[in-house]
Amino acid sequence: NAGVTQTPKFQVLKTGQSMTLQCAQDMNHNSMYWYRQDPGMGLRLIYYSASEGTTDKGEVPNGYNVSRLNKREFSLRLESAAPSQTSVYFCASTPTGWVYGYTFGSGTRLTVV
Amino acid sequence: RKEVEQDPGPFNVPEGATVAFNCTYSNSASQSFFWYRQDCRKEPKLLMSVYSSGNEDGRFTAQLNRASQYISLLIRDSKLSDSATYLCVVNVNSGGGADGLTFGKGTHLIIQP
Repeated sequence: NAGVTQTPKFQVLKTGQSMTLQCAQDMNHNSMYWYRQDPGMGLRLIYYSASEGTTDKGEVPNGYNVSRLNKREFSLRLESAAPSQTSVYFCASTPTGWVYGYTFGSGTRLTVV
Repeated sequence: RKEVEQDPGPFNVPEGATVAFNCTYSNSASQSFFWYRQDCRKEPKLLMSVYSSGNEDGRFTAQLNRASQYISLLIRDSKLSDSATYLCVVNVNSGGGADGLTFGKGTHLIIQP
């Protein structure tokens, strides 16, 4: 089915470990986003990519890096995981900007112990 | 003032009743408005866009009040399956940048049999 695919769905990391969350969309969208969602905090933007070849910081970028590998794929990397990064991570995409709604992936539940 | 503000609820409503909730936004120049639905432990999904003239989709009606800077969602003949968290979404940054949409923290709705 067309949409946004995230892997893995679940992950447990030890403090200090690194990992990369993968996201791919097959809708030919230009813009892609990474959000984290914590109880009581809502969705907060980590990084976004307006188009292939560009990335920009969002509201909470510290501790993360991203790569827009090509038009389809946008990955999020945690270089040295911390317990504060325990969260649910959602990738989203849209044709461009904010004019259209976003399509979200099913999320990655990350626990850092 | 928070950029996008919603009453977190929960709203406990008997099945078959009508329920409405509002969302206020801070930027008078905002142009794109949406309601998203998020089920427990799932990704947000677009419920409906909100147009200036108001719009209806089955049992759901969305309204925009630009003068008072709020949008509303009305659900008629509520069903048990309407139980979810409803997220108000607005483009708060009107400069055309791709950093996109701002999400409210959501209103939790519980439909009771």
